[in-house]
This record gives sequence, C-alpha cells and structure tokens, in this order.
Amino acid sequence: EVQLVESGGDLVQPGGSLRLSCAASGFTFSNYGMSWVRQPPGKGLEWVSAISNSGDSTYYADSVKGRFTISRDNSKNMLYLQMNSLRAEDTAIFYCARPSFGDWGQGTLVTVSS
Amino acid sequence: DIVMTQTPLSLSVTPGQPASISCKSSQSLLHSDGKTYLYWYLRKPGQPPQLLIYEVSNRFSGVADSFSGSGSGTDFTLEISRVEAEDVGVYYCMQSIELPYTFGQGTKLEIK
Repeated sequence: EVQLVESGGDLVQPGGSLRLSCAASGFTFSNYGMSWVRQPPGKGLEWVSAISNSGDSTYYADSVKGRFTISRDNSKNMLYLQMNSLRAEDTAIFYCARPSFGDWGQGTLVTVSS
Repeated sequence: DIVMTQTPLSLSVTPGQPASISCKSSQSLLHSDGKTYLYWYLRKPGQPPQLLIYEVSNRFSGVADSFSGSGSGTDFTLEISRVEAEDVGVYYCMQSIELPYTFGQGTKLEIK
C-alpha cells in the first residue's frame, strides 16, 4: 500500500521559512517523479512543484519560483520542500503527491500570518 | 500554461438522479504516445483528493461504477449515473500532459 506522510507545516510570520518533508513507502520511490500540490483555504487545487525520479530536474509554479526549492533523498525515500520568503497567500494545505497515480498524503497545514 | 475550464461551478442534485460536469482544456491533452492525460478527482471535506477517473475514461480502483468519464482532445465530461449522498464534495479535472499540471476551478456537488 502506497503511503505518503507529510510533516513540517506550522504557523510562520511573513518573510519566514519552513521546510516540509514527505515520507514515502509502498512503492519504489526512486522510480517516480513526485509533486507538491497545495490548496489555500476556500480555494482550488494548485500544483506547486515537481521533481524527476533522479532529482536532476525540478519544476516550479510561477507563484513560487525563486522562493521554494524541491528536493529528494532516494536513499531515505524522502521528499522535501524548502519554502523561503513566505507570504500570506502561501497559506494552504500542502500535499505530497503522485497525482497521475492517485497517491496523495493527508496534507500539512502552512499558515503565514503575523 | 494549459487552462482547464469546468462547468458548472456548482450542482444541486436529488439523490438517484444523474449529474454531469464538463471540463475543457485550452490545448489538446492527446499525447504522441496515444494517451490522453485527463484526470477527475473528488475532494471531500477533511480528506485529500481522491482519484476517480484517469486518462479520460478509466475508473480508478475501488471507484463506484456509477462514475464514468468520456471525451477527447480538449472536451471532457464526468458523469454520475445516480447521485448518492456520499458523492458530495468538490470535483476537479486535472491535466498532466505537461508541466505545470493544472486543475479546473472545481465543481461543488450538493444534495437537494
């Protein structure tokens, strides 16, 4: 059974930083690209970032480019999202996912507020 | 970026009646590999999105056969043959033919 477990969400002040983690199990992690998807309160789903299976290629939504960094550690089956210069509009539930396979974590809440 | 446009944005349906949601993409979702990368998701309150349909018309494991998907190119439809109370939530279409993956605005289904 595929499991994706996110952690690291918290309340942070505008301009602050946060690192999200996702522990993957139940599949050969190093064989698959992974994504982060978020949902702000009362709004729709927004793809944030993706990384290739090897980690060599990374992709970002324009809204987070230059502020967020996606990475992975295939030896530990872990996915990460380093978020810097956080803004109020980054407030959302962040999901670790393989969207094309229907695999999503339960999500972790990031709140950016003073 | 590929824009995904869903209609309607809300639906109120009597239990046992059918429902239909349309999704249109700004570009064809047909890949050179012959697959069409269009997915349907349902997000229930307090839960992560759950995959209903993949590649236009393939029902995901465990999904009720009351759900079906159809379409091609840029025009797609999700149909529920008989709506049940447990089908309430927000439905999203998603494309993954190219990054950034993009979602429709969502269609909120309520029970009358």
